Amino acid sequence: EAEVAQSPRYKITEKSQAVAFWCDPISGHATLYWYRQILGQGPELLVQFQDESVVDDSQLPKDRFSAERLKGVDSTLKIQPAELGDSAMYLCASSSGVLYGYTFGSGTRLTVV
Amino acid sequence: DAKTTQPPSMDCAEGRAANLPCNHSTISGNEYVYWYRQIHSQGPQYIIHGLKNNETNEMASLIITEDRKSSTLILPHATLRDTAVYYCIVLDTGANSKLTFGKGITLSVRP
Repeated sequence: EAEVAQSPRYKITEKSQAVAFWCDPISGHATLYWYRQILGQGPELLVQFQDESVVDDSQLPKDRFSAERLKGVDSTLKIQPAELGDSAMYLCASSSGVLYGYTFGSGTRLTVV
Repeated sequence: DAKTTQPPSMDCAEGRAANLPCNHSTISGNEYVYWYRQIHSQGPQYIIHGLKNNETNEMASLIITEDRKSSTLILPHATLRDTAVYYCIVLDTGANSKLTFGKGITLSVRP
């Protein structure tokens, strides 16, 4: 069964440092999502791509977060500088259409110290 | 602004059916009901979705009331591996639709 790949699985970084997460969606899925999940809460959408274009980044803290999907395939989410409150699980998902459901990766657990 | 209401938690015995309720009284005619679950430390997993008819797949059954204001996810024979947070989500299938998660319901399956 096809999977969404994410790396790293775990990341510990110091406050004010830069950190980046990578996602490789299922081949052929045009839509890619980044979600953030704080412990005890449901995932919150940060950014949505359709191919290489950003469709929705209204919840992305743009002063420190950036996301790109240059060739419309894999994607990178970056935080610079990281803050203590950024500690969370960062989930990537892809879809060929919302009717067909999203497939999520296993996520990157970020701890900022 | 989750459009669904779920109790925070429930439990059931292993081997028994787990019936997970969801209220979505403001659902629109073009909105589907989706269920996802999230096992600890993993990404959410799609379970099932429906518009107005009952649906069944290899994982679960989805029962939607005739007025579509509520639904029930049924796991017919719960196992310990079904212990997870279950999210009920309503959304349309427009080009820019996206999953919006609430807090979900924590299902604990006891031996």
